[in-house]
Amino acid sequence: SQQGEEDPQALSIQEGENATMNCSYKTSINNLQWYRQNSGRGLVHLILIRSNEREKHSGRLRVTLDTSKKSSSLLITASRAADTASYFCATPPPTDSWGKLQFGAGTQVVVTP
Amino acid sequence: DTEVTQTPKHLVMGMTNKKSLKCEQHMGHRAMYWYKQKAKKPPELMFVYSYEKLSINESVPSRFSPECPNSSLLNLHLHALQPEDSALYLCASSQSGARMNTEAFFGQGTRLTVV
Repeated sequence: SQQGEEDPQALSIQEGENATMNCSYKTSINNLQWYRQNSGRGLVHLILIRSNEREKHSGRLRVTLDTSKKSSSLLITASRAADTASYFCATPPPTDSWGKLQFGAGTQVVVTP
Repeated sequence: DTEVTQTPKHLVMGMTNKKSLKCEQHMGHRAMYWYKQKAKKPPELMFVYSYEKLSINESVPSRFSPECPNSSLLNLHLHALQPEDSALYLCASSQSGARMNTEAFFGQGTRLTVV
């Protein structure tokens, strides 16, 4: 079963615009991770934000975490065509269960030139 | 070297065939994973190996048989698969498996088609 739900399912923007996607999860977490997947390829880790952090930046990426609302957002600023991909949030289990990283349904982002 | 290498990239197999998927990492990671991903869906966990021992099997059918010969290698043996097993199979590794406190590194996947 999925831990996270993402919103929107799909997003179409033009180059230079910002893209925001949201992730909601159900149980308590110690961290939340964001991954990118280009069409039919492997996943690339983007950012890991821990439960005691509220915001984290990496280049043009900004991730926020609100544990009271059990939600996270990923903002891509000044988007480029190369940002076209599916973006997934992922959470580990609340208990000490090895390796059960569970992915949300994903947001498909298309950036047009 | 932050790569997870999967071979082959593409595989077409008949329902009576036996084949193997291979995965290799040289990052010293002690946790390795197999995920299955269908089109337009998120990856679904199949197996987790920690310190070369199988720690999680997500009720995967026995026609999928994982093997971890050493800390750098992970295999997935396939036998008598069904057409619905056609999917992208992803291997991943992480430094720490417990509570997933570190990120996972994924390979590029094997696109499997069962005919």
